[in-house]
This record gives sequence, C-alpha cells and structure tokens, in this order.
Amino acid sequence: EVHLVESGGGLVEPGGSLRLSCAASGFTFSGHTMNWVRQAQGKGLEWVSSIGGSGIHTFYADSVKGRFTMSRDNAENSVYLQMNSLRAEDTALYYCTRDIAYSSFDNWGQGTLVTVSS
Amino acid sequence: DIRLTQSPSFLSASVGDRVTITCRASQGISSHLAWYQQKPGKPPKLLISSASTLQSGVPSRFSGSGSGTEFTLTISSLQPEDFATYYCQHLHSYPLTFGGGTKVEIK
Repeated sequence: EVHLVESGGGLVEPGGSLRLSCAASGFTFSGHTMNWVRQAQGKGLEWVSSIGGSGIHTFYADSVKGRFTMSRDNAENSVYLQMNSLRAEDTALYYCTRDIAYSSFDNWGQGTLVTVSS
Repeated sequence: DIRLTQSPSFLSASVGDRVTITCRASQGISSHLAWYQQKPGKPPKLLISSASTLQSGVPSRFSGSGSGTEFTLTISSLQPEDFATYYCQHLHSYPLTFGGGTKVEIK
C-alpha cells in the first residue's frame, strides 16, 4: 500500500525559510515523478512543484519560482521542498503526491500546514 | 499556460439526482485530465484518470468523458456520501493546473 507522510510545517515569519519533507513507502519510489500541491484555508488546489524520478528535472509554479526548491533522495524514499523568502500568501496545507504521467496524482499524503505570519 | 474553467462552481442537488460538472481547457490537452473528490478535512481522492478511467474502488455511478478541450464528470444518481467538492486537473504539460472546484451541496 502506498503511503506518503509529510512533515516540517509550522509557523514562520515573513521572509523566513522552512523545509518540508515527504516520506514515501509501498512502491518503487524512483520510478515516479513526485509533486507538491498546496491549499489555502477555504480555497482550491494549487500545484506547486514536480520532480522527475531521477531528480534531474524539476518544475515550479510561477508563484514560487526562484523561492522554492524541490529535491529528492531516492535512497531514503523522500522528497523535500525548501521554501525561502516566505510570504503570507504561501500560508497553506501542503500535500505530497505521487504522479502517474499524463494521467493523475493517484496518491496524496495528509498534508503539513505552513503558516507565514509575524 | 493552460487554464481550466470548471462549471458550475456551486451546485445544489438532491439524493438520486443526475449531476454533471464541466471542465473546459484553454487549449487541447488530449485525454490528460483527472477528476478528484475532496471532503472537508481530507486530502483529495482520485476518481477518474485519463479523462475516463474509473479508479479501482470508485462507485460506477461516477463517470468521466471528453477529450481535447471539453470534459465532463457525471454522477448518475447522487448519494449522501457524494456531497463534496470536485476538482479537475490537467497533466498535459507544465505548469499543471487545477480547475476552481465545484461544491456539491444538499438541496
């Protein structure tokens, strides 16, 4: 069974940094693109970033480009999201998801909450 | 960037009703579209992949259709557990995007 467990969320001041982690199990991790999706309270879903199975290729939403960096460690079955220069509008629940290319995000974690506030 | 326009954004319906939600893409995306259901306090759940493939365990009252720029999610007979918010998502090219969501509430 696929399991995705996010961690690392918390309260941070504007301009601060935070590193999210997602531990994966139950599948061949290196064979899948992984993603981060966020959802502000009461709002819709927003794709944030994706990383290919090898870790070479990364993609970002314009809203986070230049501030967020996604990486992965296939030996540890984990993906990470380094978030710098955080803004109030980055406040959201951040989900880690597994990707089936061109098809869907077929598994989602429970999310980790990031709050950016002074 | 490809934009997805979901309609309606809000839908009030009764148990047993047939419900149709539309998702329009700003350019052709072949069948690279997924539908998700989200209930309060829970992560989204995949219902339909590749526009029309029903996921294992999802009731057969759910169906998806369409290709190119116009897609639909249909619930043939709405059940109490189907009251939720539904999202479409394209996976055609980066940046990936979601529709704005359709909240289905009890009439």
